Amino acid sequence: GEDVEQSLFLSVREGDSSVINCTYTDSSSTYLYWYKQEPGAGLQLLTYIFSNMDMKQDQRLTVLLNKKDKHLSLRIADTQTGDSAIYFCAENPGSQGNLIFGKGTKLSVKP
Amino acid sequence: GAVVSQHPSWVICKSGTSVKIECRSLDFQATTMFWYRQFPKQSLMLMATSNEGSKATYEQGVEKDKFLINHASLTLSTLTVTSAHPEDSSFYICSARDVQGYSPLHFGNGTRLTVT
Repeated sequence: GEDVEQSLFLSVREGDSSVINCTYTDSSSTYLYWYKQEPGAGLQLLTYIFSNMDMKQDQRLTVLLNKKDKHLSLRIADTQTGDSAIYFCAENPGSQGNLIFGKGTKLSVKP
Repeated sequence: GAVVSQHPSWVICKSGTSVKIECRSLDFQATTMFWYRQFPKQSLMLMATSNEGSKATYEQGVEKDKFLINHASLTLSTLTVTSAHPEDSSFYICSARDVQGYSPLHFGNGTRLTVT
């Protein structure tokens, strides 16, 4: 079945790098996503990666994809207090359909 | 970038009344929009898929007569919570993607519904 797993909590110090990991099950997912949700807000698309890519970098964000192990990670360089939020990993079985979300990783950044 | 506007941001209503939530794609057309519900500290649960010009597709366990969805145009879908009860209190989020080519799913800012 479809399932996306990610750890629930991550705590880092300001200025350090954060790495949020995710595993998914559907090998047919064409795209994989990272969304950010701040308290009381909707989901903000951070980045997404096409399944034939291994890595995608966008400013402080680096996404690594290991398709063989169905493992996706999001690295945030120089983490700031404003990065504190819940980060959702999502897979997209069927490129035009719904997304399957993980439960979210709450990132806490300490000064 | 693509913007999805959701209105209202929050609403308080009395039990037994109905509430309508709007989801608009502002700079793109969307034949399909998705409605999610999020309980506190939990992930998003897909409620239904809204299809422009046709009936919505509801997920198992979601009452179609309770959560009425209308997708009358390529830029607007509405979710109406009918005869609301306190257990309907939740955070409702819509999402949409551009019909042209491949585009990621973009989300509205959500609607906090409180039923008293």
